[in-house]
Amino acid sequence: GAGVSQTPSNKVTEKGKYVELRCDPISGHTALYWYRQSLGQGPEFLIYFQGTGAADDSGLPNDRFFAVRPEGSVSTLKIQRTERGDSAVYLCASSPVGGEQETQYFGPGTRLLVL
Amino acid sequence: LAKTTQPISMDSYEGQEVNITCSHNNIATNDYITWYQQFPSQGPRFIIQGYKTKVTNEVASLFIPADRKSSTLSLPRVSLSDTAVYYCLVGSGGSYIPTFGRGTSLIVHP
Repeated sequence: GAGVSQTPSNKVTEKGKYVELRCDPISGHTALYWYRQSLGQGPEFLIYFQGTGAADDSGLPNDRFFAVRPEGSVSTLKIQRTERGDSAVYLCASSPVGGEQETQYFGPGTRLLVL
Repeated sequence: LAKTTQPISMDSYEGQEVNITCSHNNIATNDYITWYQQFPSQGPRFIIQGYKTKVTNEVASLFIPADRKSSTLSLPRVSLSDTAVYYCLVGSGGSYIPTFGRGTSLIVHP
């Protein structure tokens, strides 16, 4: 079956601009996660959705970052007033239920470059 | 949070067995140990998960001693395509959020 997909695969923007990153999880997966990965580092948790609601957004670095999942499937990560430090790979993952230590299925990521 | 420590990098050659050890001294009673693999320009991919003793699947084996304070991922007869970063994760006492460290960068040479 289809895995997790993310669009765009690459995004180049200018400092101060607004960007949206999209994640299509595996069909039927109720849990969805966003991570950010900088070069040479492991993925860093941003936000976790259980269905339509954000169950844990403690990883969002500041209020410029926001994510939605209005119908419990596709999710969009939104970044306002982008800064050069936001440049990273943004990864999305989904899992069937979202239970403790459940296997997560990752997408290929969106590479964001803020000039 | 159970913190993990693993080597930053390892080198091997095709056909060899590779063992990557991860330390997790303060692992909790109900924590599982999970390993992910990440190739360049891809998201991490689940390899194996275990609680104690030994787990084996078609990709790797996971050895966990009785005290569970460490675990060893074993990759039999590696090939060039096994060159990747390997992450050891330990459940965070009930948290559904896995905590990735820097991982171990494995380079397999011809």
